[in-house]
Amino acid sequence: SQQGEEDPQALSIQEGENATMNCSYKTSINNLQWYRQNSGRGLVHLILIRSNEREKHSGRLRVTLDTSKKSSSLLITASRAADTASYFCATDPLTPDGLTFGKGTHLIIQP
Amino acid sequence: DTEVTQTPKHLVMGMTNKKSLKCEQHMGHRAMYWYKQKAKKPPELMFVYSYEKLSINESVPSRFSPECPNSSLLNLHLHALQPEDSALYLCASSQDLAGNEQFFGPGTRLTVL
Repeated sequence: SQQGEEDPQALSIQEGENATMNCSYKTSINNLQWYRQNSGRGLVHLILIRSNEREKHSGRLRVTLDTSKKSSSLLITASRAADTASYFCATDPLTPDGLTFGKGTHLIIQP
Repeated sequence: DTEVTQTPKHLVMGMTNKKSLKCEQHMGHRAMYWYKQKAKKPPELMFVYSYEKLSINESVPSRFSPECPNSSLLNLHLHALQPEDSALYLCASSQDLAGNEQFFGPGTRLTVL
């Protein structure tokens, strides 16, 4: 399976600022999902956007999807120290083949 | 209950040992997954079970042997591992294979000496 690319690899911002992470992928997808992982523990599902959707919101999260460019972005508004974590995009292909995760963005929120 | 549990949390084993990792969910999910994650890397899919049948095996060495005894349990049997197999092993489940969100367990941190 081919991994997606995420940028930046690491991002450090001040509390209260917005954080934007990008994800690019290579194959056609059924949906794209974003997950958060704290300190090498289990992943937590944040949001799922289907291939026929362009934008989705969940609380302070906003996700966009551009299937023509094979890219997605995750925006976290009004960041908090508790948002410090690694964020991964994961693509779900058209044929069921399990998720393929991007390389991840490590986000640090400075208090 | 929206939790996936994994035991043990930590495991240290020698290259000649046989051990098993266990995963359990009670959400009625019919798809279960094993992922391997090395430090500072994304999770990599190892196996997928759908309705208790092995659906996907991502060319994993035979020293890793998955088992799905029933719809709530997933095991990963380990035998003759190598030090490079040291990693975080994550179990996940989803309603089915039709592109739903996956629920992850906290993982088992495995060290092979």
